[in-house]
Parts: sequence; structure tokens; C-alpha cells
Amino acid sequence: QVHLVQSGAEVKKPGASVKVSCKASASTFSSSDFNWVRQATGQGPEWMGYMTPHSGSTGYAQRFQGRVTMTRDTSISTAYMELSSLTSEDTAIYYCVHMAIWGQGTMVTVSS
Amino acid sequence: DIVMTQTPLSLSVTPGQPASISCKSSQSLLYSDGKTYLYWYLQKPGQPPQLLIYEVSKRFSGVPDRFSGSGSGTDFTLKISRVEAEDVGVYYCMQSIQVPWTFGQGTKVETK
Repeated sequence: QVHLVQSGAEVKKPGASVKVSCKASASTFSSSDFNWVRQATGQGPEWMGYMTPHSGSTGYAQRFQGRVTMTRDTSISTAYMELSSLTSEDTAIYYCVHMAIWGQGTMVTVSS
Repeated sequence: DIVMTQTPLSLSVTPGQPASISCKSSQSLLYSDGKTYLYWYLQKPGQPPQLLIYEVSKRFSGVPDRFSGSGSGTDFTLKISRVEAEDVGVYYCMQSIQVPWTFGQGTKVETK
């Protein structure tokens, strides 16, 4: 059974970076890509990109190219998403998605 | 990008009555492996989207059999045979045949 646990809420200043983690069960970690999706309040989901656990290869949505980095640590079955040069428009809940299951979400607030 | 169009955008249903949501994609979601990568999610307030249906018509573990999915190619439907109070929330269709993943606008379902 897929079980995902994400890191806690973050508050960042404009221009800063944030790194969100997503820990999966060791038994399912390498079974499928990790995708990251964000959702601003009252908005629909927005796909950001994916990371393939066994190779580390990635693919990012065009609008996040150059600003997002997705990585993993296979030793602890954890995927990461780092977003840099934050602005208020990046305030949203960030979700990891693995084998069609969504993590609980991480609220990222960008405010001066 | 594949455009996903859901209708209706809102639905008010008397408990015990059926409900139906349509989702149309701008391109076929049938992949060369024979699978069609169309998913249905329900997002309840304050929660991440929860998987209801994957690959058009396969009910995820634990999903009540009052939920059913159908369709092919570019036209898909989610049906709830008898709406219950716990079914309220926003329903999204999503495609993952091609990156970026894209979502329908969401259908808000409430009970009368």
C-alpha cells in the first residue's frame, strides 16, 4: 500500500527557496515516478514535474524550468522538490503524487 | 498541452439520487500499451485529492461501488449511482498520458 508523508508547513520570504520532502514506503519507492503538483487556494491543481526514482531523471513543466529541482535519496525512500526565487504567487499547497496517490500536502507561504 | 474539459462545473443532488460528470480531452488518452490514462479524484475540503477511478473504469481500493467510470478515447464519464452526504466535494478528471499532466476545471458536488 502506498503511504506518503510530506514535510511540514513553510513560511518563506520573497526571493528565498523552499525544499519539500516526501517520504514513501521502501517497498513502493522505486515502483513509479514521483510527481509534484501544487494547488493555490481556491484553484485547481497544477502539475510541476516528475522524478524517476531509480535513475533520478526529471522532467519539469515549462513555467518552472530553471526554478525547480526534483531529487531523491534512495537510502531513506524520500523524494524532494526545491523551488527557488519564490514570490507571493508561489503560495500554495504542494503535493507529491506517487502511484496515483497524493501525499497530505505541504503548505508553503511566501510573505514579506 | 492536453486540455481537459469537465461539465457541469457544479451539481446539487438530492441524497439517494444519481449524478454524472463528463470529462472530455483534447487528444486521445489511449496509450500504445493499451491503457487509457484517465483518472478521477475527489477532493474534500481541506484534504488532498483522493483517488476514485484509474484507467477510466478501475475503482481504487476501498472506493464504494456506487462510483463508476466509463468512456474511451477522448470522452469520459464518472457516475455516482446514489449520492451520499459524504460524496460532497470537488471532482477532478486528470490525464497522465502526456506531460504536463492536466486536470479538468473541477466539478463541485453538493447535496440538497
